[in-house]
Amino acid sequence: AQSVTQLDSQVPVFEEAPVELRCNYSSSVSVYLFWYVQYPNQGLQLLLKYLSGSTLVESINGFEAEFNKSQTSFHLRKPSVHISDTAEYFCAVSQGYSTLTFGKGTMLLVSP
Amino acid sequence: DAGITQSPRYKITETGRQVTLMCHQTWSHSYMFWYRQDLGHGLRLIYYSAAADITDKGEVPDGYVVSRSKTENFPLTLESATRSQTSVYFCASSEGLAGWSDEQFFGPGTRLTVL
Repeated sequence: AQSVTQLDSQVPVFEEAPVELRCNYSSSVSVYLFWYVQYPNQGLQLLLKYLSGSTLVESINGFEAEFNKSQTSFHLRKPSVHISDTAEYFCAVSQGYSTLTFGKGTMLLVSP
Repeated sequence: DAGITQSPRYKITETGRQVTLMCHQTWSHSYMFWYRQDLGHGLRLIYYSAAADITDKGEVPDGYVVSRSKTENFPLTLESATRSQTSVYFCASSEGLAGWSDEQFFGPGTRLTVL
């Protein structure tokens, strides 16, 4: 069975500071990894995903995540956050032949 | 409008009543999904469908019924609503061409309250 752990339910940060949202997964086989973002009162939208190849993946708005197989992690980072990044972030995993399993989410709160 | 829509956006009902939540997508995506979002639980899969007339249970299917007679529609029915089904419900779709690595596109959600 696969599972996802997001260690922080809430991460407060000041604008222009760096941030890391942590995600660990458990799976005995190869996985696909995703980060989805949910802005207030909206549905989720894909931020980035890792399928294979380079372990570092980037999004168009400055986020990046690194797949670390030995630590079974897929942490999300941004070097300088903006107020508009305030949202809930969900890590998700699929074993390729199974449905997506989502973590419980991390609320990123960016203040001026 | 192109995309994925859900109706109603808000619904209040009473325990024991039947409720149907609608989901419609205009992309002709093969896969469609129903999730519920609850504080402290994240998103949990209720049911999914790989194509018209093909549905399968997810993690929390009890108390829900789905059907998919047309590719673009995927209604979710609560046959006898209970307070524990108070939640925000999200419908999603994906092309299905690359299996479970495909991006899922989410609707805006339906906030359901069962009194």
